[in-house]
Amino acid sequence: DTAVSQTPKYLVTQMGNDKSIKCEQNLGHDTMYWYKQDSKKFLKIMFSYNNKELIINETVPNRFSPKSPDKAHLNLHINSLELGDSAVYFCASSKKTGATNEKLFFGSGTQLSVL
Amino acid sequence: AQSVTQLGSHVSVSEGALVLLRCNYSSSVPPYLFWYVQYPNQGLQLLLKYTTGATLVKGINGFEAEFKKSETSFHLTKPSAHMSDAAEYFCAVIDSGGSQGNLIFGKGTKLSVKP
Repeated sequence: DTAVSQTPKYLVTQMGNDKSIKCEQNLGHDTMYWYKQDSKKFLKIMFSYNNKELIINETVPNRFSPKSPDKAHLNLHINSLELGDSAVYFCASSKKTGATNEKLFFGSGTQLSVL
Repeated sequence: AQSVTQLGSHVSVSEGALVLLRCNYSSSVPPYLFWYVQYPNQGLQLLLKYTTGATLVKGINGFEAEFKKSETSFHLTKPSAHMSDAAEYFCAVIDSGGSQGNLIFGKGTKLSVKP
């Protein structure tokens, strides 16, 4: 029973395409996140989202948009993919919104390669 | 703004030897500090965290870390390395008034364990 699951695990696509990465958590958590891990292993927050508030990292291009059909899902949609979007994308969740010491639960990542 | 510096992108130790992974932080307010571990092809898992109270924090798998305010450090140690400890380790910081969406990760240290 995977707590935070993302699909697909690997995604290879051409520049200019639009793609989505799905994320689901079965922990009953209130808040979900998307992180990007670049080739140098640097992990950076992209979005945090609960049913009341979306917080966007200002450095994220507007080609990236989170979509949440319900509390357990936060999908990442990317328009007009660019070479620089190649990275590993991690979904995560936490129990409470704004609770600083809450533990993050991560998915196993989606390796996106843009050709 | 907070930041995290991990000294050494790659650390190699022999099995049974001491593990020391260094982390220094910068924060204008009392920080909360975390160590996460990433095993190959997996998401990050929380090893341990410091919020308040005792400055020596014990985590899973025999790891511990000590918060030293005077040195702005939160180094991760384990007395005796095991082959299964080979992974990427990330230090992270968040200010005590912030939310998990503001978690700042270091660039990671890859730990190799030699037989």
